[in-house]
Amino acid sequence: NAGVTQTPKFQVLKTGQSMTLQCAQDMNHNSMYWYRQDPGMGLRLIYYSASEGTTDKGEVPNGYNVSRLNKREFSLRLESAAPSQTSVYFCASSEAPFEGGQGELFFGEGSRLTVL
Amino acid sequence: AQSVAQPEDQVNVAEGNPLTVKCTYSVSGNPYLFWYVQYPNRGLQFLLKYITGDNLVKGSYGFEAEFNKSQTSFHLKKPSALVSDSALYFCAVRAPYSSASKIIFGSGTRLSIRP
Repeated sequence: NAGVTQTPKFQVLKTGQSMTLQCAQDMNHNSMYWYRQDPGMGLRLIYYSASEGTTDKGEVPNGYNVSRLNKREFSLRLESAAPSQTSVYFCASSEAPFEGGQGELFFGEGSRLTVL
Repeated sequence: AQSVAQPEDQVNVAEGNPLTVKCTYSVSGNPYLFWYVQYPNRGLQFLLKYITGDNLVKGSYGFEAEFNKSQTSFHLKKPSALVSDSALYFCAVRAPYSSASKIIFGSGTRLSIRP
C-alpha cells in the first residue's frame, strides 16, 4: 500500500519556467491538498480539493494552479516559477470529515523545488 | 480565528528522560487537535489526535498527549525518550465539524534526543 505518492522528489527551475508536481493516492480518499513548507512557518495550504471535480484556494494560492484529474490524482502547476516559490511541497489526502473519518491527513514524501 | 502556537523552536532531552513538547491553541468550540512528526527528508506522519472523550490520548511510538481545556493546551509527552524520537513535531488544530482544509499547523518544534 503506497499511500500518497509525489513526483518529482527534487527539481531545479529557472525563473519563468513552468512545471507540474504530480500526486496520487491509493486510499480512496475524497479530499486532497497541496501544502508548502518553509522554515519556521509550518505548513501553509496552497489549494485543496474536497472531492473529485472541485478545487478551492487555500491560504497561499497565488502563482499556482491545480487540477483534480480523477479521485486518485491531484496535480499542482507553477506557470511561471519565481524564487519565492522555492520550498518543499507536500501533497496530502484525507477522508471527508462527514464520511466517518476524523480528518487526519496522510502526506506524501515531499517535492523539494528550487527556483534560481 | 483559530490559531496554534508551539512556543519552543527546539527541545533538547537526554535519552531515557521524559520529554514534553508544548502546544497551545485558540479555536471556537471544542477543538480537534493533532500531533504529526516529520523525520528528515520525509513527509509528516500522524501521531495522535484528540476529538472527544478522555483527555489523555495515546498514540504511536509510545507518545501521548493531554488535552487541557482550561489552559487551551495539548502538550505531547513521552515517559522515556529515545534517540530515534529526534525529529520535527507539529501540532495542528481544527474547529469542530469543519473541513480538513481548515486545519492550522503550528510552526514546529525540533526535538533532539542526546545519547
